[in-house]
Amino acid sequence: KQEVTQIPAALSVPEGENLVLNCSFTDSAIYNLQWFRQDPGKGLTSLLLIQSSQREQTSGRLNASLDKSSGRSTLYIAASQPGDSATYLCAPRVDNTDKLIFGTGTRLQVFP
Amino acid sequence: NAGVMQNPRHLVRRRGQEARLRCSPMKGHSHVYWYRQLPEEGLKFMVYLQKENIIDESGMPKERFSAEFPKEGPSILRIQQVVRGDSAAYFCASSPTQTYWDEQFFGPGTRLTVL
Repeated sequence: KQEVTQIPAALSVPEGENLVLNCSFTDSAIYNLQWFRQDPGKGLTSLLLIQSSQREQTSGRLNASLDKSSGRSTLYIAASQPGDSATYLCAPRVDNTDKLIFGTGTRLQVFP
Repeated sequence: NAGVMQNPRHLVRRRGQEARLRCSPMKGHSHVYWYRQLPEEGLKFMVYLQKENIIDESGMPKERFSAEFPKEGPSILRIQQVVRGDSAAYFCASSPTQTYWDEQFFGPGTRLTVL
C-alpha cells in the first residue's frame, strides 16, 4: 500500500529565501508524480508533473526532482514570495492504478 | 478553455437528506476522478469513471455513495442519507486519455456540510 509523507509539515520563511519541500513514498513502482498547491478553501492547482522516466522538471521558479528508486521527490522554490503561501501537495500515481495518492502536505507561509 | 467545473461550490444538507455533486470535465477530457478531503486529512481517491463506465471504485464507501458519468452531461457523485461524517470537500479531476502518464486537472471542489 502506497504511503506518502511530506516534510516539513509547516514552514514559515521571509520572502526571498530558496526553499526545499520533501516528499517520500513507500512504493517506488509509480507512473508519474504531480506537485500541487492548494490555497485555503480552494481547489488544487497542478504545478509540475514528472514522469517516472524523468529526473526533474522545471517551471519558472519551481523545480521538482524525482528519485524513483529511493522513493523521493523534492520541490525547490527559488526566491520565495508572499504569493507562494499555500499548502503544497505531492501525489504519485502508482503503477497499474488510476489514482493519485496524496501526502498531507507542507503548509508554507512566506512573509514580507 | 474552461477548466474543470464543479457545482454547487457549497452544499448544506441535514442528516438523512441526499446530496448530489456535479462535475463537468475539461473540454476534450473523457476521464473523471473523484477525491474526498476530510477535515484535517489528505485527499483520498474515491472513484474513476469514463463515459458510461465505472472503472475503479475501490475508494468508494460500500453504502450510500454512488457515481455516474453519463454519455451526455456531467458526472454526478450521489450521497444518500447523509451523515455528519460525510462533511468534507469533494474534488473532481479530469484527464484527456487513458494513458497513465496523463496529468489530472482538478476542479474547485464542493464543500458539503451536514447539519
